[in-house]
Amino acid sequence: AQSVAQPEDQVNVAEGNPLTVKCTYSVSGNPYLFWYVQYPNRGLQFLLKYITGDNLVKGSYGFEAEFNKSQTSFHLKKPSALVSDSALYFCAVSSIYNQGGKLIFGQGTELSVKP
Amino acid sequence: KAGVTQTPRYLIKTRGQQVTLSCSPISGHRSVSWYQQTPGQGLQFLFEYFSETQRNKGNFPGRFSGRQFSNSRSEMNVSTLELGDSALYLCASSTGGLPSYNEQFFGPGTRLTVL
Repeated sequence: AQSVAQPEDQVNVAEGNPLTVKCTYSVSGNPYLFWYVQYPNRGLQFLLKYITGDNLVKGSYGFEAEFNKSQTSFHLKKPSALVSDSALYFCAVSSIYNQGGKLIFGQGTELSVKP
Repeated sequence: KAGVTQTPRYLIKTRGQQVTLSCSPISGHRSVSWYQQTPGQGLQFLFEYFSETQRNKGNFPGRFSGRQFSNSRSEMNVSTLELGDSALYLCASSTGGLPSYNEQFFGPGTRLTVL
């Protein structure tokens, strides 16, 4: 069965400091990995994805994520956090065995960036 | 391009009633997926439609159903509402190709409250 774990319910970072939001996954076959962000009373916004190739993926708003196959991880990173990055972040996984459209999401990590 | 739209944005129903939610995908997208988001269970996949056919289904009771029309618009229906059905219902669209590594674009959601 496919699963995603986000071990931290909340991450607190000072503005200007680097941030990391952790994600580990379990899936049969090669994973397709995604990060989404959700602002209050809004739907999810796509940040970035890993399908194949370079383990470091760059996405929107200066975010990047590193795929580590041996550790089955896909951590989200940003070199310098902004207060406006404060939101709920979701990691999600799919695979070639999905018949389509089914993303398995982690429980979410609340990111709080303080001035 | 216009984004994914969902109507209505807010609904209040009582136990035992039924409800229909609507989703219009991004123009050209043929896949529509539905997710339920609650504080306790997080984001859970309901079902996915592609070219008017249900291609994938999550672990929800038969009270939850959906359909897709020839213009790719989709509706989901919940019959005999229970208090536990109170949630944010999110619709997402994608081009729908397989393997399923295309990112999904989410609508703002419909907030359903069951009293």
